[in-house]
Amino acid sequence: EVQLVESGGGLVQPGGSLRLSCAASGFTFSSYWMHWVRQAPGKGLVWVSRINSDGSSTSYADSVKGRFTISRDNAKNTLYLQMNSLRAEDTAVYYCARDGVTVWWGQGTLVTVSS
Amino acid sequence: DIQMTQSPSTLSASVGDRVTITCRASQSISSWLAWYQQKPGKAPKLLIYKASSLESGVPSRFSGSGSGTEFTLTISSLQPDDFATYYCQQYNSYWTFGPGTKVDIK
Repeated sequence: EVQLVESGGGLVQPGGSLRLSCAASGFTFSSYWMHWVRQAPGKGLVWVSRINSDGSSTSYADSVKGRFTISRDNAKNTLYLQMNSLRAEDTAVYYCARDGVTVWWGQGTLVTVSS
Repeated sequence: DIQMTQSPSTLSASVGDRVTITCRASQSISSWLAWYQQKPGKAPKLLIYKASSLESGVPSRFSGSGSGTEFTLTISSLQPDDFATYYCQQYNSYWTFGPGTKVDIK
């Protein structure tokens, strides 16, 4: 069974950094593009970033470009999101998701940016 | 960038009602559209993929239709467990989500 488990969320001050991880299992991780999607409290779903299967190509939403970096370690079946220069508006639940004809989602990890 | 809209934003309905939610894309996305159900504090749950394919384990009262720019999600007979927020998602070019439709009790 496909499983995606996010970790690394927490409380961070404005301007701080955080690295999220997403451990994948139940499928051939190195064959799939992966995404990060976030959801601010009480708001809708917003795509954040994606990475291709071998990590050679990445894309970002304008709101995070230059501050967030997506990466992956196919040997460890793990997806990452390095978040720098965090702002209050980055507060959200962050989900990792597997691309494909059917999209699989993790359960999410909460990031709170507050002083 | 492809923009997605949904209507209505809120829908009040009763158990047993037939419910239809519409999603529109700003340009053609072929059939690369998914529908999700989300309840508070939970991850989105995939209902429909490729516009009309029912995800395994999802009740047959859910159905999807459409292609190009206009899509619909239909719940044939609303059940108590179906009160939730529903999102459409295009995955033809990057990903974009609709703003959501909240289905609440009339």
